[in-house]
Amino acid sequence: NAGVTQTPKFQVLKTGQSMTLQCAQDMNHEYMSWYRQDPGMGLRLIHYSVGAGITDQGEVPNGYNVSRSTTEDFPLRLLSAAPSQTSVYFCASTRGQGGKGEQYFGPGTRLTVT
Amino acid sequence: AQKITQTQPGMFVQEKEAVTLDCTYDTSDQSYGLFWYKQPSSGEMIFLIYQGSYDEQNATEGRYSLNFQKARKSANLVISASQLGDSAMYFCAMRVTQGGSEKLVFGKGTKLTVNP
Repeated sequence: NAGVTQTPKFQVLKTGQSMTLQCAQDMNHEYMSWYRQDPGMGLRLIHYSVGAGITDQGEVPNGYNVSRSTTEDFPLRLLSAAPSQTSVYFCASTRGQGGKGEQYFGPGTRLTVT
Repeated sequence: AQKITQTQPGMFVQEKEAVTLDCTYDTSDQSYGLFWYKQPSSGEMIFLIYQGSYDEQNATEGRYSLNFQKARKSANLVISASQLGDSAMYFCAMRVTQGGSEKLVFGKGTKLTVNP
């Protein structure tokens, strides 16, 4: 199992550009999430999905779109990048349903918007 | 509101000594889960330990134990016999159920430095 994979690992964008951060998991997990990590802020939930075709907003959704056409993939789209979106982005997945349903995290994408 | 509070921005410990990292949580849910994650300087998030709200025993995983005090809403992480490789950021998180889905709410983290 590769677990949760994310691409790219690093990205530099100019203000106003758009891009998609890719996330994939091979554990057949229903639940997938995107978090951003800023210094001193911990991780904050952007969007999440409870299964293919179902997505919802988290704590900080503005400026981001997601879709979930398959169980495996959960891409995050930046529509028009802004310097405030400079952050480290983590994708995570879990089988859900309570218990020790730990979230498995991808390695992260470090995004800089100039 | 669901919230995790980690009041220690930084902690220092001598190698081979034990250290406690504090975590308090706020939730009105009866069923919830508490997690600790380690984030070394390389950036990945590493799961350490889990405690369910109905678990009567404190969770342990090797050198990690979770001091769960439900009435006080605290879930402190205890690392015994600290090693240099324990130097990292540590995040406490709570799994909450909202609208039929599960999400993690994170604290702001504690930076642990282990001195030789």
